[in-house]
Amino acid sequence: DAGVIQSPRHEVTEMGQEVTLRCKPISGHNSLFWYRQTMMRGLELLIYFNNNVPIDDSGMPEDRFSAKMPNASFSTLKIQPSEPRDSAVYFCASSPGTGIGTEAFFGQGTRLTVV
Amino acid sequence: GQNIDQPTEMTATEGAIVQINCTYQTSGFNGLFWYQQHAGEAPTFLSYNVLDGLEEKGRFSSFLSRSKGYSYLLLKELQMKDSASYLCAVRTPSGGSYIPTFGRGTSLIVHP
Repeated sequence: DAGVIQSPRHEVTEMGQEVTLRCKPISGHNSLFWYRQTMMRGLELLIYFNNNVPIDDSGMPEDRFSAKMPNASFSTLKIQPSEPRDSAVYFCASSPGTGIGTEAFFGQGTRLTVV
Repeated sequence: GQNIDQPTEMTATEGAIVQINCTYQTSGFNGLFWYQQHAGEAPTFLSYNVLDGLEEKGRFSSFLSRSKGYSYLLLKELQMKDSASYLCAVRTPSGGSYIPTFGRGTSLIVHP
């Protein structure tokens, strides 16, 4: 398996622009997580899905952020409008479920820079 | 809220042993993970503990004490390639399931 695939790997955008990050989870995994990593705050959970359904989005910072999972093999995280404080590395991860011992497998991340 | 604490940075010498501690105070607990993350890369799974005690896997071991809210990762025979960030993650309740909540990570620098 190719693992979790994220695109793009790097994104530089101007403040106010819309940004869309994409993720393809590992086939057969039914849990998908979006995390954001910064030096100040570490790795923070933004939202997670079980069987394509959003379960907990309490980590989404504000209404500018939205996430969708239209099917089992694709998810997007959208920021509109983007702001410089959104600059971070965004990781997508998937796991076979949320049962005991099920580890999360991470994609390579998208490094977002908002100028 | 969830509180997971790790030292920010540690240094050690090649060939030595280092112990990275993690303490947690969380609203629930269903296991603890350790992940390794090299600079510019994704976190990768190292170990999982759900019961008290020591889990050994090659040069790496992980220990858990649930009553103390404490875990450590022990790295033996350190190699230069072990220089990385080590993330402690506790499975905490969310939406009827348990999901990994991460500490900020410990940056380990191994020098010759």
